[in-house]
Amino acid sequence: GESVGLHLPTLSVQEGDNSIINCAYSNSASDYFIWYKQESGKGPQFIIDIRSNMDKRQGQRVTVLLNKTVKHLSLQIAATQPGDSAVYFCAEDSGYSTLTFGKGTMLLVSP
Amino acid sequence: NAGVTQTPKFQVLKTGQSMTLQCAQDMNHNSMYWYRQDPGMGLRLIYYSASEGTTDKGEVPNGYNVSRLNKREFSLRLESAAPSQTSVYFCASSEPGTARGEAFFGQGTRLTVV
Repeated sequence: GESVGLHLPTLSVQEGDNSIINCAYSNSASDYFIWYKQESGKGPQFIIDIRSNMDKRQGQRVTVLLNKTVKHLSLQIAATQPGDSAVYFCAEDSGYSTLTFGKGTMLLVSP
Repeated sequence: NAGVTQTPKFQVLKTGQSMTLQCAQDMNHNSMYWYRQDPGMGLRLIYYSASEGTTDKGEVPNGYNVSRLNKREFSLRLESAAPSQTSVYFCASSEPGTARGEAFFGQGTRLTVV
């Protein structure tokens, strides 16, 4: 299996619960933020993005919140399902879609 | 509907050996990228190519070279592999003009240098 999950912060939830994954970013000049999901043995997959001139953006079962004052980003997943189990990364677009990734959070969903 | 294809999927090298990681995308994207991922860390950008004919260094370029062979293909070369280059390597592509930040990743190449 993939070893990327070692030493990662882990969030364990029950199926059906809402999950909140947090991320702190460092570059106050960043103007574009993205969340990616990485399942074991696979490459990251785009979930949702948000521009710095927005505070909130909603997708299907997911919501991203941006607080520029404290440089904090969060991903909310509604009605979490076992298929949501993965490592979640926040990322900043540093230009030309070059991404600076955070270290990731592992989400474990129990049936 | 292949997306981004990387070869090989697994590789073991001896210290000092060279190899090239291949990447191809079929989405007609202008931009392509190489990242490495180490345990407990997020992905780090090695090199990128904003468009065909251009390449630029990312955060961790030392020990690597790249070639943007054409619009579809972007290869990563290790001239003299070192144990510190043991990692999972991901190639990605995107179209920043229309979908900024939305990169499509390959399945990865798991490289071990002994």
